[in-house]
Amino acid sequence: GAGVSQSPRYKVAKRGQDVALRCDPISGHVSLFWYQQALGQGPEFLTYFQNEAQLDKSGLPSDRFFAERPEGSVSTLKIQRTQQEDSAVYLCASSQSVNYGYTFGSGTRLTVV
Amino acid sequence: QQQVKQSPQSLIVQKGGIPIINCAYENTAFDYFPWYQQFPGKGPALLIAIRPDVSEKKEGRFTISFNKSAKQFSLHIMDSQPGDSATYFCAASMGRGAQKLVFGQGTRLTINP
Repeated sequence: GAGVSQSPRYKVAKRGQDVALRCDPISGHVSLFWYQQALGQGPEFLTYFQNEAQLDKSGLPSDRFFAERPEGSVSTLKIQRTQQEDSAVYLCASSQSVNYGYTFGSGTRLTVV
Repeated sequence: QQQVKQSPQSLIVQKGGIPIINCAYENTAFDYFPWYQQFPGKGPALLIAIRPDVSEKKEGRFTISFNKSAKQFSLHIMDSQPGDSATYFCAASMGRGAQKLVFGQGTRLTINP
């Protein structure tokens, strides 16, 4: 596609519920990143994929957070047993290769009530 | 540990003025410094980026000034327009392009007509 597509755009979850956030990167983009952006803050790195390999997951805040990209294209960020502090915008970005800058999607706004 | 500090938090400038946003970093291993522009409901978009082997870079109305010894860099917007009203983020990474980015906290810029 023309840009990075994320779905859903908005998600309201009850505390304790599991959620899955989807990212469709630009076709052919090798690198894929997930970031978490709290209200009024800069994005914070969560995890990075090169093709299907998860090369860095140092930013995942707890073992409730899990990301996958099984075929090296679409990626899913899963959050188990959501907590109020998980409320944020989750941004996905993709890049052609490690030598290029990347393009962000518009994000999924997650609200945990 | 906050590795990139950005100021001011918010800035109001009259049309045609030159807003200046400043960032300071701690990690001397950083060697790529991009600036992103973010409109409400959208993901960040790359504006301009610099590497520490140059002290200044211009692209259109946007200029980055870089001071390696002080570990500081700044964004200047020439002939600012109301359409420039957005949140601006500085960032830093080790390596060009698609690497993990550390973002500043953001500056909400308002350009009054």
